[in-house]
Amino acid sequence: AQTVTQSQPEMSVQEAETVTLSCTYDTSESDYYLFWYKQPPSRQMILVIRQEAYKQQNATENRFSVNFQKAAKSFSLKISDSQLGDAAMYFCGAVTSGTYKYIFGTGTRLKVLA
Amino acid sequence: DAGITQSPRHKVTETGTPVTLRCHQTENHRYMYWYRQDPGHGLRLIHYSYGVKDTDKGEVSDGYSVSRSKTEDFLLTLESATSSQTSVYFCAISDRGGTSYEQYFGPGTRLTVT
Repeated sequence: AQTVTQSQPEMSVQEAETVTLSCTYDTSESDYYLFWYKQPPSRQMILVIRQEAYKQQNATENRFSVNFQKAAKSFSLKISDSQLGDAAMYFCGAVTSGTYKYIFGTGTRLKVLA
Repeated sequence: DAGITQSPRHKVTETGTPVTLRCHQTENHRYMYWYRQDPGHGLRLIHYSYGVKDTDKGEVSDGYSVSRSKTEDFLLTLESATSSQTSVYFCAISDRGGTSYEQYFGPGTRLTVT
């Protein structure tokens, strides 16, 4: 069965510094998609970044980038130049191509310290 | 933002009463999902739909039923609410087409069962 694990319940980072959130997953499939979602206090789930498993190049979106290690089944999120607005719960998720079921990790709460 | 609304946004109900949550989308996406979010558990899939009248169970479906009579509406029903169903419920949609498997989430419904 497909699983997603986030081993860091909470992380803190100083404003303007860089932080990396960890995510590992387990799947026997070769074609899948990985996601990071942000959930600020407003509760709205916001897609931060996605990665297609068939792409070797790591996805980037402005200050957000991923380190996708397919062999190790690792998908970490790096936030550069952290801002107060980055404080949120972050969820890692995965879906196998051809299926309907998305699986999410338990989340990492990120605190940004001024 | 994707056009997804949930109603009600907040509800308090008593144990044993039936409750129906509604998800409405204006994106004409084929796939719709209901999740519950609980501390320490992240997002867990309750039920999903892959078309009108086509639904299937997720990982935590006991005590819940769903219906989808129109593309735009996906209803989640708690036939007899229990305190363990106190949670935040999210609806999500996806098109699962092309190169994108992104899910778009509604604003969430906070349900309290007393």
